[in-house]
Amino acid sequence: DAGVTQSPTHLIKTRGQQVTLRCSPKSGHDTVSWYQQALGQGPQFIFQYYEEEERQRGNFPDRFSGHQFPNYSSELNVNALLLGDSALYLCASSLVWDGYTFGSGTRLTVV
Amino acid sequence: AQTVTQSQPEMSVQEAETVTLSCTYDTSESDYYLFWYKQPPSRQMILVIRQEAYKQQNATENRFSVNFQKAAKSFSLKISDSQLGDAAMYFCARVQGGSEKLVFGKGTKLTVNP
Repeated sequence: DAGVTQSPTHLIKTRGQQVTLRCSPKSGHDTVSWYQQALGQGPQFIFQYYEEEERQRGNFPDRFSGHQFPNYSSELNVNALLLGDSALYLCASSLVWDGYTFGSGTRLTVV
Repeated sequence: AQTVTQSQPEMSVQEAETVTLSCTYDTSESDYYLFWYKQPPSRQMILVIRQEAYKQQNATENRFSVNFQKAAKSFSLKISDSQLGDAAMYFCARVQGGSEKLVFGKGTKLTVNP
């Protein structure tokens, strides 16, 4: 039974560029959440998708957007990248209170 | 803002000994869930243990147990018989009933000495 899969594992982008990160949830999970983890910090909630709609959103600017597909997989898009967007981006999938299963994350470096 | 506080940035323990990691949280809700996650260098967040706020009994998972003090809003993690593989960052997190948003503390780095 596959867990949460994220791609790519590492990414280097230039300031001002746009990036797309991808997440495939654990089999049977229908909800996907995205978190940003800066170095030395705990993860911060970006947003959550359920039934292809954004259900909750954290305190992140509109440059951060997402999408969920009919197969429950999800994308996180970040436009106009800033140096401060450099972080580990974690995807977590869940099914009601089955609990949250995290992927290994995508390390984004903005130069 | 409703926060989760881990007051110990770093802790160390000798192999086979016991260590306790502290966590306090702030919430105005009566229905919520608390978690401890482990994050090794592989970066993946691994669920260690979970506690429902409405349950008075402290959760236990093998060598891991919690001391949940609801009135004091305290949720500490005890690791017994520490093993080298327990070395990692440990994060305390809270989610409110009806919400699926996790709020994390800043983490505690645990070192296990042989």
